[in-house]
Amino acid sequence: AQKITQTQPGMFVQEKEAVTLDCTYDTSDQSYGLFWYKQPSSGEMIFLIYQGSYDEQNATEGRYSLNFQKARKSANLVISASQLGDSAMYFCAMRERYFGNEKLTFGTGTRLTIIP
Amino acid sequence: KAGVTQTPRYLIKTRGQQVTLSCSPISGHRSVSWYQQTPGQGLQFLFEYFSETQRNKGNFPGRFSGRQFSNSRSEMNVSTLELGDSALYLCASSLDSANQPQHFGDGTRLSIL
Repeated sequence: AQKITQTQPGMFVQEKEAVTLDCTYDTSDQSYGLFWYKQPSSGEMIFLIYQGSYDEQNATEGRYSLNFQKARKSANLVISASQLGDSAMYFCAMRERYFGNEKLTFGTGTRLTIIP
Repeated sequence: KAGVTQTPRYLIKTRGQQVTLSCSPISGHRSVSWYQQTPGQGLQFLFEYFSETQRNKGNFPGRFSGRQFSNSRSEMNVSTLELGDSALYLCASSLDSANQPQHFGDGTRLSIL
């Protein structure tokens, strides 16, 4: 079963608009972490934002915020005032224990394209 | 502060050969993880090293191995290469594994002919 689900394979957004990238997760752990990464066409993975399962406040980092709804197991990324440089693949990831191991599991990603 | 450095950036090998990829983590980071990224399978966790010991492991065959040195630098080795091993191999480092963000290198793009 998919641990991390990103239902939007691709999105097109007008420059300066806000965009929400969806992410739902599945875990039975009480303690876990949720991450968002950006991967431009050049290939490097850039860490954007982190939310711990016990954090009561939604995480924010500049133009990025994470809409964390624990009961619904969703961790959507919100980018305010989108810019052309935001065009990239975006991956949601979860850190959890898996048969005694800790691992980071990634979703399939959303390709975001910002239109001028 | 220098980021995660992976070498080489690109590599071309033939089936049956072996390959060693290198990763230098951010200074002070003791955890190094390796991932394989392919269009079909996405990003998959290979293994994690911490203080020279493999601490976590994904579901890859034994042809994939790694090690970590006392300076936290890590190497990944793939033996008896197969066509399906063609991928972008990403290394990531963090202060510790427990809910710390991992910082990724630019990756090594391995092509198997």
